[in-house]
Formats: sequence, C-alpha cells, structure tokens
Amino acid sequence: EVQLVESGGGLVQPGGSLRLSCVASGFTFSTYWMHWVRQAPGKGLVWVSRINSDGSRTSYADSVKGRFTISRDNAKNTLFLQMNSLRAEDTAVYYCAREIADWGQGTLVTVSS
Amino acid sequence: SYELTQPPSVSVSPGQTARITCSGDALPKKFCYWFQQKSGQAPVLVIYEDSKRPSGIPERFSGSSSGTMATLTISGAQVEDEGDYYCYSTDSSGNHRVFGGGTKLSVL
Repeated sequence: EVQLVESGGGLVQPGGSLRLSCVASGFTFSTYWMHWVRQAPGKGLVWVSRINSDGSRTSYADSVKGRFTISRDNAKNTLFLQMNSLRAEDTAVYYCAREIADWGQGTLVTVSS
Repeated sequence: SYELTQPPSVSVSPGQTARITCSGDALPKKFCYWFQQKSGQAPVLVIYEDSKRPSGIPERFSGSSSGTMATLTISGAQVEDEGDYYCYSTDSSGNHRVFGGGTKLSVL
C-alpha cells in the first residue's frame, strides 16, 4: 500500500523559512516523479513543484519560483520542499503526491505575524 | 500563464447524469486528469489520461476529451459523489502543471 506522510508544517513569520518532508513507503520511491501541491483554506488545488526520479529535473509554479526548492533523498525515501521568503499567501495545506496519482494527508503551513 | 476553466458548480438529482467540463488550449495535445475531493480529505484520482479509471473507482465515473474540452461524466450520480472536482493537465511546453478552479458537485 502506497503511503505518503508529510511533516514540517507550522506557524512561521513572513519572510521566514520552513522545510517540509514527505516520507514514502509501499513502493519503490526512487523510480517515481514526485509533486508538491497546495491548497489555501477554502480554496482550490494549486500545483507547486515536481521532481524526477533521480532528482536531476525540477519545475516550479511561477508563484514560488526562486523561493521554493524541491529535492529528494532516494536512500531515505523522502521528498523535501524548502520554502524561503514565505508570504501570507503561501498559507496552505501542502500535499506531496506520487506522480499526481497518490497523495498524502497534507501538512498545514501558516504564514503570519 | 496557462489556465484550465471549470464551472463553479453543478447540481443534479440522485440517479441523474452529472457532467463537469474543463477547457484549456493545450488539451488537444495533453492528457487531462480528474480528482475528487471530499470535505476535509485529500484529493482522490478518479480519471487519468483523459478516460482511464484507476482500480477501485466505480464504473459510473468516466472521462472523455475532444478538442479543447475534457469532460468528467458521473452516470447515475449518488449522494456520496458530492464534493469538489478538479481537472489537471499541463501547458503545451509540458513544464507547468495546472489545476482547474474546481467544480462543486451537489447531488440532491
């Protein structure tokens, strides 16, 4: 059974940083593209970023480009999202997803002073 | 930036057919995926690559795509199908993924 467990969310001040993690199990992590998707409270889904299986290719939504960095550690079956220069509009539940098909339960990031 | 357009809401009576559309300029060349999200839960994939149904998804869910529009059809909608539905695809370059704005399905 595919399992994805996000962690690292919390309350952070504007301009601050946060690193999200997503631990994967139940499949061969190193062979799949992985994604981050977010959802602001009461709003729709927004694609954030994706990374290929070996970490050599990444892409980002324009709204986070230059501030967020996606990475992975295939030895530890873990996906990361480093978020810098956080803004109030980054407040959302952040989901990791395996090839956009299987999702975790999400972790809440709140950017507020 | 690339956009996918969905109607904000669709309402049907139980047993009727619900159709949710998604329009985008790149859809003639790019696959469309559909997700169901119920309140407080993570999204669930219900259709992938325009018309394929993942295992465990009821047969009443189907998808199609023609030109710049993709359609999710729920034949014989049930009360438990209520929720928000999102389409997902990529722009013509393949680099940027995007979700539609979402459609709230009411079955009552």
